[in-house]
Amino acid sequence: LAKTTQPISMDSYEGQEVNITCSHNNIATNDYITWYQQFPSQGPRFIIQGYKTKVTNEVASLFIPADRKSSTLSLPRVSLSDTAVYYCLVGFTGNQFYFGTGTSLTVIP
Amino acid sequence: GAGVSQTPSNKVTEKGKYVELRCDPISGHTALYWYRQSLGQGPEFLIYFQGTGAADDSGLPNDRFFAVRPEGSVSTLKIQRTERGDSAVYLCASSLGPPQETQYFGPGTRLLVL
Repeated sequence: LAKTTQPISMDSYEGQEVNITCSHNNIATNDYITWYQQFPSQGPRFIIQGYKTKVTNEVASLFIPADRKSSTLSLPRVSLSDTAVYYCLVGFTGNQFYFGTGTSLTVIP
Repeated sequence: GAGVSQTPSNKVTEKGKYVELRCDPISGHTALYWYRQSLGQGPEFLIYFQGTGAADDSGLPNDRFFAVRPEGSVSTLKIQRTERGDSAVYLCASSLGPPQETQYFGPGTRLLVL
């Protein structure tokens, strides 16, 4: 069964750009890549979604190479409030969604 | 507008008891998902509804787990003969349509089986 792989944890100082990469080697043609953020005791919250190349919104950018076997979430100028767990979600055919292991980001003052 | 709501927010039960967890999706969302999240782990897919029917229930761990969505809106996750290993946060999400649409999550129900 295909899975996604992310680093378990990352630390960053306030104001820096943070890049979190997710590997999804078995991604299918019709699958999108979605990133979610989760704070303790809350449900995940949508950050950004993409299919290929680059997508940018008001909070993040998502970079997807041509082979789509990985993706990178980029958070510009992180603040303390960005400390959370970040999940990479790839919609596989068959309507099943598998969250990655999650990356625990800690932003340091 | 209102987001996804789940009730109860917390549920404590004894081993062997039956529990029901309720999810109210965002109005107009045809797709509804149930996940289970254990401490320190990512959400684990359980079941996905499109309208009233379960489009995919392959994530349900065994036949003690069952979910319904009789009118295509509210959904109930039912767990029979609860076991201590069922203790987790049960998350519900909904989306406008097909699985590729953004999922909006509720706050979850924290289930503790003693």
